[in-house]
Amino acid sequence: GAGVSQSPSNKVTEKGKDVELRCDPISGHTALYWYRQSLGQGLEFLIYFQGNSAPDKSGLPSDRFSAERTGGSVSTLTIQRTQQEDSAVYLCASSLRAIGGIDGYTFGSGTRLTVV
Amino acid sequence: AQSVTQPDIHITVSEGASLELRCNYSYGATPYLFWYVQSPGQGLQLLLKYFSGDTLVQGIKGFEAEFKRSQSSFNLRKPSVHWSDAAEYFCAVGTPPSSSNTGKLIFGQGTTLQVKP
Repeated sequence: GAGVSQSPSNKVTEKGKDVELRCDPISGHTALYWYRQSLGQGLEFLIYFQGNSAPDKSGLPSDRFSAERTGGSVSTLTIQRTQQEDSAVYLCASSLRAIGGIDGYTFGSGTRLTVV
Repeated sequence: AQSVTQPDIHITVSEGASLELRCNYSYGATPYLFWYVQSPGQGLQLLLKYFSGDTLVQGIKGFEAEFKRSQSSFNLRKPSVHWSDAAEYFCAVGTPPSSSNTGKLIFGQGTTLQVKP
């Protein structure tokens, strides 16, 4: 598509429930990234995928967080047993290649997750 | 591992005044450096980037940034601020392909710019 598409744009969930966030990157972009933006915390790296390589999961905060990328395109970020501290805006970005960001990221508009 | 510090959480300037947003990085070699802007209700947009060559880089919307290796800094500047520049600005660092951390950008905590009329 023309841009990075994320859905849903807003999600309110009860504590303890599982949620799935979706990201549809720009067609042809081999690299896909997930970040979390909390108030006053900047952008926190979560995970990134590059082609068929093993994903870099070093930023996932706990084993409740997981992500997959099917067919080198769409990605789903899953948060199990949500906690209130998971409330944040989850941003997805894609780039043509994963070479230190040199191609520049294109960000989606994000999913605002609220855990009540 | 690389890191980024934006010392100023919030800055207020008058419209028409000059602007400088500070960014310091920690990395053993020359990193790739970026500034992104997030306007209210908008996604993040790349303003400019540096990875080699001329240390003064020009970006969109009249912004420029200067890489200073001796100070490990990459400060963002604009000679005359417009009200539409009010936004949150993020500095980010990436690593060249030879590093084990290649691929992802590390972002600073952001600086919120308020523009007074």
